[in-house]
Amino acid sequence: DGGITQSPKYLFRKEGQNVTLSCEQNLNHDAMYWYRQDPGQGLRLIYYSQIVNDFQKGDIAEGYSVSREKKESFPLTVTSAQKNPTAFYLCASSISPRQGTQYFGPGTRLLVL
Amino acid sequence: ILNVEQSPQSLHVQEGDSTNFTCSFPSSNFYALHWYRWETAKSPEALFVMTLNGDEKKKGRISATLNTKEGYSYLYIKGSQPEDSATYLCAFMSNDMRFGAGTRLTVKP
Repeated sequence: DGGITQSPKYLFRKEGQNVTLSCEQNLNHDAMYWYRQDPGQGLRLIYYSQIVNDFQKGDIAEGYSVSREKKESFPLTVTSAQKNPTAFYLCASSISPRQGTQYFGPGTRLLVL
Repeated sequence: ILNVEQSPQSLHVQEGDSTNFTCSFPSSNFYALHWYRWETAKSPEALFVMTLNGDEKKKGRISATLNTKEGYSYLYIKGSQPEDSATYLCAFMSNDMRFGAGTRLTVKP
């Protein structure tokens, strides 16, 4: 079945630690996105990628990094510079940046120990 | 309006009631308006994509309208059922995609 997978479902981070959230898609989509959700707020864009080896900062990129070495994969690293990382993280993809319907993964909840 | 705003934040209705909620968005640089349905423990799923002023879309008991000149879209659910319980997100697309905070609908049997 085609779709987007995210792992892990829950992730715990210690102070000062970098952690990486996985996002994989087999939909052959060019564009991929990372969003963060906090209670009572809409999805906020962290990073997006329109094509392999290219990515752009979203509204809240500070403290995060990404890579796009393969079309199928768009991992997100939450670095120690992100002072408030506790949130729900959603990955999404679309056929192209302007072909707007996005398909979402199941999400990863990140908690700080 | 600079951001995407949805109202109400939450809504509780009885099974069989019809309901509607609002998405407000900037009226300039409009490209498309998306509605997504997000059930608990699942991924958000696309309901509608609307691009033209006056667009009306319908899927079963759910329908949506679009007014790009005044910057709002309505989502209607006719005869709500418990399985309609979910958070309904709208997203405004111009140069990027901006999501509202959602309306959380609970339908009581």
